[in-house]
Amino acid sequence: EAGVAQSPRYKIIEKRQSVAFWCNPISGHATLYWYQQILGQGPKLLIQFQNNGVVDDSQLPKDRFSAERLKGVDSTLKIQPAKLEDSAVYLCASSPGQGASTDTQYFGPGTRLTVL
Amino acid sequence: GQNIDQPTEMTATEGAIVQINCTYQTSGFNGLFWYQQHAGEAPTFLSYNVLDGLEEKGRFSSFLSRSKGYSYLLLKELQMKDSASYLCAGDSGYSTLTFGKGTMLLVSP
Repeated sequence: EAGVAQSPRYKIIEKRQSVAFWCNPISGHATLYWYQQILGQGPKLLIQFQNNGVVDDSQLPKDRFSAERLKGVDSTLKIQPAKLEDSAVYLCASSPGQGASTDTQYFGPGTRLTVL
Repeated sequence: GQNIDQPTEMTATEGAIVQINCTYQTSGFNGLFWYQQHAGEAPTFLSYNVLDGLEEKGRFSSFLSRSKGYSYLLLKELQMKDSASYLCAGDSGYSTLTFGKGTMLLVSP
């Protein structure tokens, strides 16, 4: 079974530029998560989708971050404009259930973003 | 929300046993996950405890005490490949996990 795919794996941009990340979850997984992991810290949930609907985006900085999952499969996360403090690894995860917190989440390899 | 506390780093030697502790606020708590994350890689699931007590899975065991807001991950017969960050994550039952900062374990020969 293929795992969660993410691209790109690495991205370097200058502050105030825009960037987009892509995620393809495990086939059949209804729930998709985007996390931000700053160096030396645990992942922080940015947004959770169930199919193509948003379940939780309470920690998403909506003035600069946006995410969509139009067809309930792939998802993109965008930052516009980027700030220095956005430098982090952006992890995508998926789970087979309907988004209950007891579901095991399967993580992708992440995109390491460096903002200069 | 929840506060999850775990030590920043630990060291141990190959073949030894190590216990990584995690404490959390008990309000709205449902269960507790442990994930392993090697440097530059994605977190991978290790265990999930919802009932009090010890659950064993090969060399790894996880313990939970709901009344004390306490969990630990026990790693036996340590191997060099066990050098990684170990993340404790609280499940509030509202579709969201709250992760701790992770404990970096360094296993030396």
